[in-house]
Amino acid sequence: GESVGLHLPTLSVQEGDNSIINCAYSNSASDYFIWYKQESGKGPQFIIDIRSNMDKRQGQRVTVLLNKTVKHLSLQIAATQPGDSAVYFCAERAGGYQKVTFGTGTKLQVIP
Amino acid sequence: DVKVTQSSRYLVKRTGEKVFLECVQDMDHENMFWYRQDPGLGLRLIYFSYDVKMKEKGDIPEGYSVSREKKERFSLILESASTNQTSMYLCATLGTIEQFFGPGTRLTVL
Repeated sequence: GESVGLHLPTLSVQEGDNSIINCAYSNSASDYFIWYKQESGKGPQFIIDIRSNMDKRQGQRVTVLLNKTVKHLSLQIAATQPGDSAVYFCAERAGGYQKVTFGTGTKLQVIP
Repeated sequence: DVKVTQSSRYLVKRTGEKVFLECVQDMDHENMFWYRQDPGLGLRLIYFSYDVKMKEKGDIPEGYSVSREKKERFSLILESASTNQTSMYLCATLGTIEQFFGPGTRLTVL
């Protein structure tokens, strides 16, 4: 999961296995939660979002789960591929407000 | 596709120099942002702008200023660069839900 501080959590996964990246958020008023992927040398790119009135949303090979009771968000990647190797950030946003708060990130390493 | 471009990928400056980082977007987005990214600290918001000539401080504005004279352009200014401003700087715009990021400028202050 994500943590505050200087050490970036790392998740190592065998190619073909499923990955689960976790995130704890802080603001119970947030109504959008977003996952970004940042590959080395690039800016973060949008993967998937979920509204606070949902608890699950699926995309292509990715699923986001939201548990508002414990303020927890997870990103599941099915059949992880080498191209999934990156740093993943969760972000929260309160509707109508421009400011987005990012987590510290989790590094996903895919072992071929 | 939204395109966000930043003027430099890599920049090396000396302590005390004035530094300008430029960001340009082509999708007519109202909101633009400057973040710095440091290992283990994630993205921290420096400033954002919700309209031309409008700006708001983010979480770490000290030592920085911004300028938004045109809708498509948002500049970050380091008035007197210091070594603790060595970092990756990311510009972003805001669409309906998600943000669109530029490739980043890695700034080293010697």
